[in-house]
Order: sequence, then C-alpha cells, then structure tokens
Amino acid sequence: QSALTQPASVSGSPGQSITISCTGTSSDIGGYNYVSWYQQHPGKAPKLLISDVSSRPSGVSDRFSGSKSGNTASLTISGLQAEDEACYYCSSYTNRITFVFGTGTEVTVL
Amino acid sequence: QVQLVQSGAEVKQPGASVKVSCKASGYTFTTYYIHWVRQAPGQGLEWVGIINPGAGTTFYAQKLQGRVTMTRDTSTTTVYMELTGLNSEDAAVYYCARDLRRIPAPAPGAFDIWGQGTRVTVSS
Repeated sequence: QSALTQPASVSGSPGQSITISCTGTSSDIGGYNYVSWYQQHPGKAPKLLISDVSSRPSGVSDRFSGSKSGNTASLTISGLQAEDEACYYCSSYTNRITFVFGTGTEVTVL
Repeated sequence: QVQLVQSGAEVKQPGASVKVSCKASGYTFTTYYIHWVRQAPGQGLEWVGIINPGAGTTFYAQKLQGRVTMTRDTSTTTVYMELTGLNSEDAAVYYCARDLRRIPAPAPGAFDIWGQGTRVTVSS
C-alpha cells in the first residue's frame, strides 16, 4: 500500500487560510468516507483534528475543516496562527482492512 | 481520564525481537480497537496494525506480515506489539492509539487517543 500524496510544505501568513491536499486512489480515499487528519508538533504524539472526512472531535478548533472530492481529500486551516506551525498527516481506511497515512505536510506560519 | 501508557525505550540488536506494551485506562478496554503506528526518525507515520481487544482479532500492514504479532491481556487492560527479526528500518517511535469508534462499528476509522510513544533503537 503506497502512502497517500501530500505536498511537502505549505506556508501562510497569520490570519490567512491554507489548504493541504491528500491524494489517494479508489481503494482508499475514493472508496470510503474514513479520511482523518492529524497535527503533530516536534517530539509529540499526533493529535486527531478531523475524522470521517469532515467531522471535528470535541475540543478541536473550528478553524480546521475537511472535505473530499473523488480520490483527493483536503484540510483547510483558516485564520492561521503561530501555534498551527506543525506537520499535518492525512489517513484513510483501505479496502484491505488496513490504514494508510499521507506523506506529511510541514506548515510554516510566515 | 482516558489514557494509554506505553512501556519504556528499548535498544535491540539486529535480528532480535522487541515487545512493546500499551496499558489502557479510563474506559472499557474491550469496546475500542487499538492501533499501532510507527514513525522512523525524521520520517512520516506508518500504520502497523490493529487489534480488537475483546475478540483478539488482528490485521497487520502487509509489509510486516509474518514479523509482527499483536496480543492483549484483558485482565490488565494491556495490549502488546511484538516485532521479530529487527533491522535498521524498524528503528522508530512506536505509538499505540485507540480508535474513535466503539465496537461493533462498520469499520475502524481514526486514531483518537494516543500513547506517549516508545522509542525502539536497533543497533549492534
């Protein structure tokens, strides 16, 4: 199972919105609405931001939103803040009863 | 509160085996899947496998089939991940993570609660 494809880096100024893409296949993202997104700061465990394509767990800021079209999922961070600087990963359930992660995207707040 | 507490760092020689534990607390142990995810130094996340703590059933990443085994002890609410035949590519931080959905669920879906991670070093 190949990793889902994400851009290596995305940057934005405080207050701006950025979008991170995550491209897979019909065997993972395109076949299931089980896409999730994670934020990871250096040296820390990942944190769940979005599940089931666009659901936000309790306690996650509404500045984070998710969507999906075909084989590509997206995470949008609006009102970018310095604390959003981190690495972001997507993940999807697959048709082999397994999971696959994205390659990861470093977000820089300019 | 819900938490997963993992065992400490390990240093192993190439070819050896490692067994990492993950103790769950704060919820009914048998009602949520537990995943294992690893992260090599400076690299991304890689899904290792999943266990249903109630039934004991498991599914593993294809590339680790035959080398990884996940088990559980319901009396101590602990899940174990054992990896054999260690090589340099297995050096990583290993995380356990609880799934978001209660069992039974149509499918496991996301990694909700994470352990603190266990660093496994492979060195001769």
